[in-house]
Amino acid sequence: NAGVTQTPKFQVLKTGQSMTLQCAQDMNHEYMSWYRQDPGMGLRLIHYSVGAGITDQGEVPNGYNVSRSTTEDFPLRLLSAAPSQTSVYFCASTRGTDVHEQYFGPGTRLTVT
Amino acid sequence: RKEVEQDPGPFNVPEGATVAFNCTYSNSASQSFFWYRQDCRKEPKLLMSVYSSGNEDGRFTAQLNRASQYISLLIRDSKLSDSATYLCVVNFDNTVGKLIFGTGTRLQVFP
Repeated sequence: NAGVTQTPKFQVLKTGQSMTLQCAQDMNHEYMSWYRQDPGMGLRLIHYSVGAGITDQGEVPNGYNVSRSTTEDFPLRLLSAAPSQTSVYFCASTRGTDVHEQYFGPGTRLTVT
Repeated sequence: RKEVEQDPGPFNVPEGATVAFNCTYSNSASQSFFWYRQDCRKEPKLLMSVYSSGNEDGRFTAQLNRASQYISLLIRDSKLSDSATYLCVVNFDNTVGKLIFGTGTRLQVFP
């Protein structure tokens, strides 16, 4: 199993550009989440999904959209990038019965200039 | 008050030392507690869950004190490979996939 994969690993955007961060898992996990990690702050939840077709907002959803058309994929879309969205983005997945063990992808380092 | 608070460190300790980290949480109704480990520029990985009765995994011991709303992590016989950031994680409403992360405590073990 590849686990949780994320692409790209690095990305530089100009203010106002849009892009999609890709996340996929091959563990048949129902639950998937997107976090951002900034210096001096813990990981903060952006959006999460409890299954295909179901998504909900986390703590910091503004400026981001998600969809979950399949169990495997959970892309995160930045609608109009802003410098405040410069961060490291982690996607995570978990089995329904193990609420604690989230498996994280390797992260995407995004810089918005 | 932050929902989950940790001393950011760094804790600089020699190999073989015992080191302890504490973490406090604000919501007394919190359901689940965990320690994750994050190496520099890598993703977090689960180190251990924290149970009311306390639990041990080799050199690592985790404790929960619900009355005082804190959890602790004790590392005995520190190894160079223990150098990392340790994240305290709390689940407030037992919703799968919704965890609150502390900012982490950095540990540096030196020879």
